[in-house]
Amino acid sequence: EDKVVQSPLSLVVHEGDTVTLNCSYEVTNFRSLLWYKQEKKAPTFLFMLTSSGIEKKSGRLSSILDKKELFSILNITATQTGDSAVYLCALEGGGNQFYFGTGTSLTVIP
Amino acid sequence: GAVVSQHPSWVICKSGTSVKIECRSLDFQATTMFWYRQFPKQSLMLMATSNEGSKATYEQGVEKDKFLINHASLTLSTLTVTSAHPEDSSFYICSARTSGGIQETQYFGPGTRLLVL
Repeated sequence: EDKVVQSPLSLVVHEGDTVTLNCSYEVTNFRSLLWYKQEKKAPTFLFMLTSSGIEKKSGRLSSILDKKELFSILNITATQTGDSAVYLCALEGGGNQFYFGTGTSLTVIP
Repeated sequence: GAVVSQHPSWVICKSGTSVKIECRSLDFQATTMFWYRQFPKQSLMLMATSNEGSKATYEQGVEKDKFLINHASLTLSTLTVTSAHPEDSSFYICSARTSGGIQETQYFGPGTRLLVL
């Protein structure tokens, strides 16, 4: 059964801290793994990962995929209050179906 | 765990026809469901928020007469694309939000790919 599990469920950190969000998965036909940031309305696309070991980076955010161990991590360095959001991991499997995790709720306090 | 299903997974239709997509929460009641459309480069656009027993709230720019949403029960919301045109071809994803409890959680469906010829 294809599924995505994110951890932790919730995280509260102080500004300036570094956080690591985890996403593990099981899938029959892997196509890609995506990270989204959800604040109020629709999730905002962050990264798409298809290959193991290649880090994708955007500012203070970075992500990497391990297709052997079936997980991905999203790192946020020097966190800011604006990083407070729910971070979603989604797996694109065969048949163009998506499997979303339930998200990690990140709260950054000043 | 909580699961949200969508039906159908794939649909191909002729231009001018209407297509209905179902979103079901399988083992929980969802007072609120959301409908999204995926655009190129994986971005998701919120189309509307569907509340059980009341009219859906549409986002700016989304035609409510074209994208009919019905939230008939606490476990079912439907999106009907009326008089579909090729530009409506897209990937439609729904999500359902649990009600009550300590922490509300949103569960996403697997999506429905629509191709209008």
